[in-house]
Amino acid sequence: DAGVTQSPTHLIKTRGQQVTLRCSPKSGHDTVSWYQQALGQGPQFIFQYYEEEERQRGNFPDRFSGHQFPNYSSELNVNALLLGDSALYLCASSSLYDRYEQYFGPGTRLTVT
Amino acid sequence: QKEVEQNSGPLSVPEGAIASLNCTYSDRGSQSFFWYRQYSGKSPELIMSIYSNGDKEDGRFTAQLNKASQYVSLLIRDSQPSDSATYLCAFYILTGGGNKLTFGTGTQLKVEL
Repeated sequence: DAGVTQSPTHLIKTRGQQVTLRCSPKSGHDTVSWYQQALGQGPQFIFQYYEEEERQRGNFPDRFSGHQFPNYSSELNVNALLLGDSALYLCASSSLYDRYEQYFGPGTRLTVT
Repeated sequence: QKEVEQNSGPLSVPEGAIASLNCTYSDRGSQSFFWYRQYSGKSPELIMSIYSNGDKEDGRFTAQLNKASQYVSLLIRDSQPSDSATYLCAFYILTGGGNKLTFGTGTQLKVEL
């Protein structure tokens, strides 16, 4: 049973650039959530997608956007990168049939220089 | 007041002892509670979920929930060096609009030989 996968594993970008991160949910899951985790902090909720719609959003600027595809995979896009966007970006998938328990992928480590 | 409070630690326990990790939350509407384990440089791994008051045991782990006191804890019996990690407490409130997880900052556990 395939778990949550994310790509790429690591990424280095320059301030002002744009980045796209990708996530494939666990088999049987239809809901994808994205989180940002800074060093020494707990993950912070960015947004959640279900049925290709953004269902809920955290306190992140519009530079952060996303998409969910018909196969439930998802992308996180960040425009106009700032140094403060450097973090571990986590994708989690869930489903009603798993009581909405969220399972995380390995994450993408983004470094902005 | 933070939504989820955890002692950042580090909490040091000798091998074979019981480790007790605590978490308090502020939102009385919180419905579902989770403990995640996160090794350094890795993503969070779900180890326990608890939905109703009382205790829930799974192997060496016991989660305890007291909604009246807004308190959730995790006990790890027979602690092993491999249990050394950061433990994140999280909850969600299930609404029609989604089920974002709100995390604490985590407690670092060190199990010493």
